[in-house]
Amino acid sequence: QQQVKQSPQSLIVQKGGISIINCAYENTAFDYFPWYQQFPGKGPALLIAIRPDVSEKKEGRFTISFNKSAKQFSLHIMDSQPGDSATYFCAARGVDSNYQLIWGAGTKLIIKP
Amino acid sequence: DGGITQSPKYLFRKEGQNVTLSCEQNLNHDAMYWYRQDPGQGLRLIYYSQIVNDFQKGDIAEGYSVSREKKESFPLTVTSAQKNPTAFYLCASSPRGLANTGELFFGEGSRLTVL
Repeated sequence: QQQVKQSPQSLIVQKGGISIINCAYENTAFDYFPWYQQFPGKGPALLIAIRPDVSEKKEGRFTISFNKSAKQFSLHIMDSQPGDSATYFCAARGVDSNYQLIWGAGTKLIIKP
Repeated sequence: DGGITQSPKYLFRKEGQNVTLSCEQNLNHDAMYWYRQDPGQGLRLIYYSQIVNDFQKGDIAEGYSVSREKKESFPLTVTSAQKNPTAFYLCASSPRGLANTGELFFGEGSRLTVL
């Protein structure tokens, strides 16, 4: 079965620091890699996404780095703020699975003031 | 405001009872989805629908049923056959199927607890 492995499960970062969340996948038939942000009691919301023909994408303080040969991609949050405290999910869209998303297990991020 | 409305937000059910979760969207999206979220796990797809009167099973469809009689509505029934129904259920939509756009728009979820 296709899998997306996400780490760490939880992460505590000081305000102003860099938060890094990593994901790795096992199937090459993925064509789109989004990151979603979820606050407690809410549904996830798209944060940023990347396609495999690009190695990096930046939107404000959020950057995705993509390493196609290693089958890994990561989310970097620069100058982390308490408002960034949330659960982050990586996902991968499967070309072989009717383009449905395969989700990582999530990372609970806490930014300490 | 446009969005996805799920109800109820919290629901308690006795074992052996069926329960229906409501999902309504006014985004004029073609595709709708139901996911289940358990602690420490990613979202798992239960059912999805790309057009009215058509839907497909996801990875964990056993014990669940859906209907798509209207574009705006995609209710999920958790039947008594679902062995472990206590979970957070998320409804989502996308303008077209995920092959065309990768973005999902989620509701705020329904938390079902089986007593």
